[in-house]
Amino acid sequence: SQQGEEDPQALSIQEGENATMNCSYKTSINNLQWYRQNSGRGLVHLILIRSNEREKHSGRLRVTLDTSKKSSSLLITASRAADTASYFCATDPTQGAQKLVFGQGTRLTINP
Amino acid sequence: DVKVTQSSRYLVKRTGEKVFLECVQDMDHENMFWYRQDPGLGLRLIYFSYDVKMKEKGDIPEGYSVSREKKERFSLILESASTNQTSMYLCASSSNRWGRDEKLFFGSGTQLSVL
Repeated sequence: SQQGEEDPQALSIQEGENATMNCSYKTSINNLQWYRQNSGRGLVHLILIRSNEREKHSGRLRVTLDTSKKSSSLLITASRAADTASYFCATDPTQGAQKLVFGQGTRLTINP
Repeated sequence: DVKVTQSSRYLVKRTGEKVFLECVQDMDHENMFWYRQDPGLGLRLIYFSYDVKMKEKGDIPEGYSVSREKKERFSLILESASTNQTSMYLCASSSNRWGRDEKLFFGSGTQLSVL
Protein backbone atom coordinates (compact mmCIF):
# COMPACT_ATOMS: atom_id res chain seq x y z
CA SER A 1 0.00 0.00 0.00
CA GLN A 2 1.17 3.53 -0.68
CA GLN A 3 2.57 5.29 2.34
CA GLY A 4 3.28 8.64 0.73
CA GLU A 5 0.78 10.58 -1.31
CA GLU A 6 2.02 13.59 -3.21
CA ASP A 7 -0.07 16.60 -4.00
CA PRO A 8 -0.54 17.97 -6.59
CA GLN A 9 -0.05 15.19 -9.13
CA ALA A 10 1.10 17.78 -11.67
CA LEU A 11 2.30 21.36 -11.36
CA SER A 12 3.18 23.83 -14.10
CA ILE A 13 4.76 27.21 -13.28
CA GLN A 14 6.84 29.92 -14.90
CA GLU A 15 10.60 30.02 -14.58
CA GLY A 16 11.64 32.06 -11.58
CA GLU A 17 8.56 31.22 -9.53
CA ASN A 18 8.62 29.00 -6.46
CA ALA A 19 7.26 25.46 -6.63
CA THR A 20 5.70 23.73 -3.63
CA MET A 21 4.89 20.04 -3.49
CA ASN A 22 3.27 18.23 -0.60
CA CYS A 23 3.45 14.71 0.73
CA SER A 24 1.16 13.03 3.24
CA TYR A 25 1.76 9.67 4.88
CA LYS A 26 -0.08 7.35 7.21
CA THR A 27 2.22 5.73 9.78
CA SER A 28 5.06 6.76 12.09
CA ILE A 29 8.33 7.29 10.33
CA ASN A 30 12.06 7.45 11.07
CA ASN A 31 12.70 9.84 8.22
CA LEU A 32 11.22 11.18 5.02
CA GLN A 33 13.19 11.61 1.83
CA TRP A 34 12.64 13.46 -1.45
CA TYR A 35 13.86 12.16 -4.78
CA ARG A 36 13.88 13.62 -8.26
CA GLN A 37 13.44 11.76 -11.54
CA ASN A 38 14.13 13.19 -14.95
CA SER A 39 12.00 11.74 -17.71
CA GLY A 40 12.89 8.13 -18.46
CA ARG A 41 15.73 8.00 -15.94
CA GLY A 42 16.39 6.70 -12.45
CA LEU A 43 15.69 8.57 -9.23
CA VAL A 44 18.22 10.84 -7.56
CA HIS A 45 18.21 11.52 -3.83
CA LEU A 46 17.67 15.20 -2.97
CA ILE A 47 17.24 15.58 0.76
CA LEU A 48 16.43 13.63 3.92
CA ILE A 49 14.65 14.96 6.98
CA ARG A 50 14.52 13.01 10.24
CA SER A 51 11.37 12.64 12.29
CA ASN A 52 12.76 14.94 15.00
CA GLU A 53 13.52 17.72 12.53
CA ARG A 54 11.04 20.32 11.35
CA GLU A 55 12.85 22.04 8.51
CA LYS A 56 15.88 21.46 6.35
CA HIS A 57 17.56 23.40 3.56
CA SER A 58 19.81 22.39 0.68
CA GLY A 59 20.60 25.09 -1.87
CA ARG A 60 17.29 26.15 -3.42
CA LEU A 61 15.43 23.32 -1.70
CA ARG A 62 13.53 23.69 1.55
CA VAL A 63 11.81 20.73 3.17
CA THR A 64 9.44 20.87 6.11
CA LEU A 65 8.06 18.02 8.16
CA ASP A 66 5.01 18.07 10.42
CA THR A 67 4.78 14.72 12.17
CA SER A 68 1.56 15.68 13.96
CA LYS A 69 -0.14 16.10 10.58
CA LYS A 70 1.93 13.38 8.95
CA SER A 71 2.87 15.66 6.10
CA SER A 72 5.89 17.18 4.41
CA SER A 73 6.44 19.84 1.80
CA LEU A 74 9.22 20.44 -0.69
CA LEU A 75 9.78 24.01 -1.82
CA ILE A 76 11.98 24.80 -4.80
CA THR A 77 12.78 28.51 -4.94
CA ALA A 78 13.58 30.52 -8.06
CA SER A 79 12.72 27.60 -10.34
CA ARG A 80 14.66 26.91 -13.53
CA ALA A 81 13.73 25.01 -16.67
CA ALA A 82 16.20 22.31 -15.58
CA ASP A 83 14.05 21.65 -12.50
CA THR A 84 11.44 20.07 -14.77
CA ALA A 85 11.13 16.51 -13.45
CA SER A 86 9.01 14.26 -11.26
CA TYR A 87 9.49 14.53 -7.52
CA PHE A 88 8.80 11.66 -5.12
CA CYS A 89 8.61 11.51 -1.38
CA ALA A 90 9.65 8.30 0.35
CA THR A 91 9.10 7.34 3.96
CA ASP A 92 11.07 5.03 6.23
CA PRO A 93 8.40 3.56 8.52
CA THR A 94 9.21 2.76 12.15
CA GLN A 95 7.18 -0.43 12.00
CA GLY A 96 7.42 -3.36 9.66
CA ALA A 97 10.15 -4.25 7.21
CA GLN A 98 12.86 -1.64 6.97
CA LYS A 99 12.41 -0.36 3.46
CA LEU A 100 11.48 2.93 1.87
CA VAL A 101 7.92 3.36 0.65
CA PHE A 102 7.43 5.75 -2.27
CA GLY A 103 4.51 7.92 -3.23
CA GLN A 104 3.20 8.39 -6.74
CA GLY A 105 5.10 11.59 -7.42
CA THR A 106 4.44 15.13 -8.59
CA ARG A 107 5.20 16.01 -12.17
CA LEU A 108 6.72 19.51 -12.19
CA THR A 109 7.00 21.52 -15.42
CA ILE A 110 8.89 24.80 -15.48
CA ASN A 111 7.94 26.95 -18.44
CA PRO A 112 10.66 29.26 -19.78
CA ASP B 1 31.41 8.58 -7.99
CA VAL B 2 28.80 6.05 -6.99
CA LYS B 3 27.24 4.02 -9.73
CA VAL B 4 24.39 1.59 -10.20
CA THR B 5 24.36 0.12 -13.70
CA GLN B 6 21.45 -1.65 -15.31
CA SER B 7 22.41 -3.75 -18.30
CA SER B 8 19.75 -2.54 -20.74
CA ARG B 9 17.90 0.75 -21.18
CA TYR B 10 15.25 -0.77 -23.44
CA LEU B 11 14.20 -4.36 -23.83
CA VAL B 12 11.52 -5.97 -25.99
CA LYS B 13 10.50 -9.56 -25.25
CA ARG B 14 7.77 -11.97 -26.27
CA THR B 15 5.13 -13.40 -23.99
CA GLY B 16 6.38 -16.56 -22.32
CA GLU B 17 10.07 -15.74 -22.64
CA LYS B 18 12.40 -15.92 -19.66
CA VAL B 19 13.83 -12.47 -19.04
CA PHE B 20 16.89 -11.48 -17.04
CA LEU B 21 17.42 -7.92 -15.84
CA GLU B 22 20.88 -7.31 -14.48
CA CYS B 23 22.03 -4.70 -12.01
CA VAL B 24 25.56 -4.02 -10.81
CA GLN B 25 26.72 -1.54 -8.18
CA ASP B 26 30.30 -0.47 -7.56
CA MET B 27 29.85 0.98 -4.07
CA ASP B 28 30.24 -2.21 -2.03
CA HIS B 29 26.66 -1.73 -0.82
CA GLU B 30 25.00 -4.42 1.27
CA ASN B 31 21.43 -3.75 0.21
CA MET B 32 19.95 -3.97 -3.26
CA PHE B 33 16.40 -3.48 -4.45
CA TRP B 34 14.22 -3.99 -7.51
CA TYR B 35 11.25 -1.69 -8.12
CA ARG B 36 8.83 -1.39 -10.97
CA GLN B 37 7.33 1.93 -11.93
CA ASP B 38 4.00 2.36 -13.68
CA PRO B 39 2.06 5.54 -14.46
CA GLY B 40 -0.28 6.44 -11.65
CA LEU B 41 1.12 3.73 -9.36
CA GLY B 42 4.50 5.15 -8.46
CA LEU B 43 7.31 2.81 -7.43
CA ARG B 44 6.45 -0.62 -6.09
CA LEU B 45 9.00 -2.88 -4.47
CA ILE B 46 9.37 -6.32 -6.06
CA TYR B 47 12.27 -7.90 -4.16
CA PHE B 48 15.20 -6.80 -2.07
CA SER B 49 18.36 -8.32 -0.67
CA TYR B 50 20.39 -7.46 2.42
CA ASP B 51 23.27 -9.78 1.67
CA VAL B 52 24.71 -12.25 -0.79
CA LYS B 53 22.44 -15.22 -1.40
CA MET B 54 19.60 -13.78 0.62
CA LYS B 55 16.39 -12.26 -0.67
CA GLU B 56 13.19 -10.85 0.71
CA LYS B 57 9.84 -10.42 -1.01
CA GLY B 58 8.61 -6.91 -1.50
CA ASP B 59 5.06 -5.80 -2.16
CA ILE B 60 4.57 -7.39 -5.60
CA PRO B 61 6.85 -10.47 -5.95
CA GLU B 62 4.42 -12.61 -7.97
CA GLY B 63 5.80 -13.58 -11.36
CA TYR B 64 9.36 -12.59 -10.42
CA SER B 65 12.40 -14.14 -8.82
CA VAL B 66 15.84 -12.78 -7.99
CA SER B 67 19.40 -13.92 -7.67
CA ARG B 68 22.27 -12.47 -5.69
CA GLU B 69 25.34 -14.67 -6.09
CA LYS B 70 27.80 -11.81 -5.69
CA LYS B 71 27.56 -8.72 -3.52
CA GLU B 72 27.71 -6.29 -6.42
CA ARG B 73 25.15 -7.98 -8.66
CA PHE B 74 21.40 -8.38 -8.23
CA SER B 75 19.40 -10.00 -11.00
CA LEU B 76 15.67 -9.87 -11.55
CA ILE B 77 14.16 -12.81 -13.39
CA LEU B 78 10.82 -13.00 -15.12
CA GLU B 79 10.28 -16.74 -15.43
CA SER B 80 7.59 -16.43 -18.13
CA ALA B 81 7.07 -12.87 -19.24
CA SER B 82 3.52 -11.58 -19.56
CA THR B 83 2.14 -8.39 -21.07
CA ASN B 84 1.22 -7.03 -17.63
CA GLN B 85 4.92 -7.03 -16.78
CA THR B 86 5.54 -4.29 -19.33
CA SER B 87 6.98 -1.57 -17.14
CA MET B 88 9.99 0.51 -16.15
CA TYR B 89 12.24 -1.51 -13.83
CA LEU B 90 14.51 0.33 -11.44
CA CYS B 91 17.37 -1.14 -9.46
CA ALA B 92 18.69 0.60 -6.34
CA SER B 93 21.27 0.02 -3.64
CA SER B 94 22.08 1.36 -0.17
CA SER B 95 25.02 0.92 2.14
CA ASN B 96 24.53 -1.05 5.34
CA ARG B 97 21.86 -3.22 6.86
CA TRP B 98 19.41 -0.38 7.10
CA GLY B 99 21.37 1.83 9.37
CA ARG B 100 19.34 4.91 10.05
CA ASP B 101 19.07 7.57 7.38
CA GLU B 102 20.06 5.39 4.50
CA LYS B 103 19.39 6.77 1.06
CA LEU B 104 18.97 4.84 -2.15
CA PHE B 105 21.14 5.09 -5.24
CA PHE B 106 19.24 4.21 -8.39
CA GLY B 107 20.21 2.91 -11.79
CA SER B 108 18.90 4.55 -14.95
CA GLY B 109 16.13 2.02 -15.38
CA THR B 110 15.16 -0.62 -17.93
CA GLN B 111 12.01 -0.04 -19.95
CA LEU B 112 10.70 -3.53 -20.66
CA SER B 113 8.02 -4.16 -23.25
CA VAL B 114 6.43 -7.61 -23.41
CA LEU B 115 4.58 -8.25 -26.66
